[in-house]
Amino acid sequence: DVKVTQSSRYLVKRTGEKVFLECVQDMDHENMFWYRQDPGLGLRLIYFSYDVKMKEKGDIPEGYSVSREKKERFSLILESASTNQTSMYLCASSPVRVNYEQYFGPGTRLTVT
Amino acid sequence: GENVEQHPSTLSVQEGDSAVIKCTYSDSASNYFPWYKQELGKGPQLIIDIRSNVGEKKDQRIAVTLNKTAKHFSLHITETQPEDSAVYFCAASMSGSARQLTFGSGTQLTVLP
Repeated sequence: DVKVTQSSRYLVKRTGEKVFLECVQDMDHENMFWYRQDPGLGLRLIYFSYDVKMKEKGDIPEGYSVSREKKERFSLILESASTNQTSMYLCASSPVRVNYEQYFGPGTRLTVT
Repeated sequence: GENVEQHPSTLSVQEGDSAVIKCTYSDSASNYFPWYKQELGKGPQLIIDIRSNVGEKKDQRIAVTLNKTAKHFSLHITETQPEDSAVYFCAASMSGSARQLTFGSGTQLTVLP
């Protein structure tokens, strides 16, 4: 089975802190994604990566950056956390084939105080 | 870009009844429409998908229909069971960027025993 793991289930950070969210997949997938999930807004794409060291902005990249140094690992970085970044963050991966299933991790609930 | 609207936001049905969730999309070039189910504390998981060359697809108690002319698609769950209680998301793939999905806002389905 495909497994996507995220480093933390719950995280509490202070305003202004630098925050790292880590995601690892074990299926050698080329594509990896970071989404933000908020009630009533569904899943919104922050960034995605289709290869090592490659990244593309999604719909809401402001305030975030990403890093993909290894194929299996995709990190989301909040350079200076703000309260409006309190949310559920979901990582996903998929093979390079067009229109294929995305496999999601369990999510990280981030609270910024 | 693509915009996906999903209705209703909440849906309660009696066990054994049917449930229908509807989505509309804006980009007529979208050609892939998956449905994801998110159980409490877990990431979304693909349950069924349909491509634009097909009008209907069925998998046991779940079916999806697509009307390309009207740009809407629906999820039908028959003989609902308590384990069907979850949040359901529809999605559409954006033209020109097949790796990306645009998600609807989600439907909280509750199956009452």
